[in-house]
Amino acid sequence: DAGITQSPRYKITETGRQVTLMCHQTWSHSYMFWYRQDLGHGLRLIYYSAAADITDKGEVPDGYVVSRSKTENFPLTLESATRSQTSVYFCASGPGTSGGVGEQFFGPGTRLTVL
Amino acid sequence: SQQGEEDPQALSIQEGENATMNCSYKTSINNLQWYRQNSGRGLVHLILIRSNEREKHSGRLRVTLDTSKKSSSLLITASRAADTASYFCATDNNYGQNFVFGPGTRLSVLP
Repeated sequence: DAGITQSPRYKITETGRQVTLMCHQTWSHSYMFWYRQDLGHGLRLIYYSAAADITDKGEVPDGYVVSRSKTENFPLTLESATRSQTSVYFCASGPGTSGGVGEQFFGPGTRLTVL
Repeated sequence: SQQGEEDPQALSIQEGENATMNCSYKTSINNLQWYRQNSGRGLVHLILIRSNEREKHSGRLRVTLDTSKKSSSLLITASRAADTASYFCATDNNYGQNFVFGPGTRLSVLP
């Protein structure tokens, strides 16, 4: 199916555990993004990638690791989960345009709870 | 600090009325985008306006951009109950690095 998918959709984990959230897109978009959404903060950019093997930090990267070995996948890893990382995580992709990122297409989100 | 700030935070109107939401930002931009988010869902892109454009239309949506005031507005005409959602503006002033969303406006359209 064409589009952008995230897995798992829901995850409960414990403090200190490593968690990986998966993101897969079928459009071959150059750009991919990870955001977290918390009440009162809107969406905050964690990491983004302009192409395979190119990643860069966003506004709130601490405690997260990303990789992008293939254009279509952009996993986000919480190396040692903390309660403050309880949030809804959204992955997005976009083709990019001249003069900016352009339109982004969002996945359905992963609701992560860290106990 | 957030680049985009929507105003108002919440808006409640009757079906058929127009809804106006505003967005202010702080630094220069390449473009500004508006997104909609239905409860529990991912964001959906509505419209993109470039820094050299002043107004753009898409169906019942009208977006204006005033770069001198660093502000944008989204007008939804003849609102419907299905327009009930949160609306976010996002500013793009570099390739990904400064793509920043505001906290959003929660719109409720009452039947």
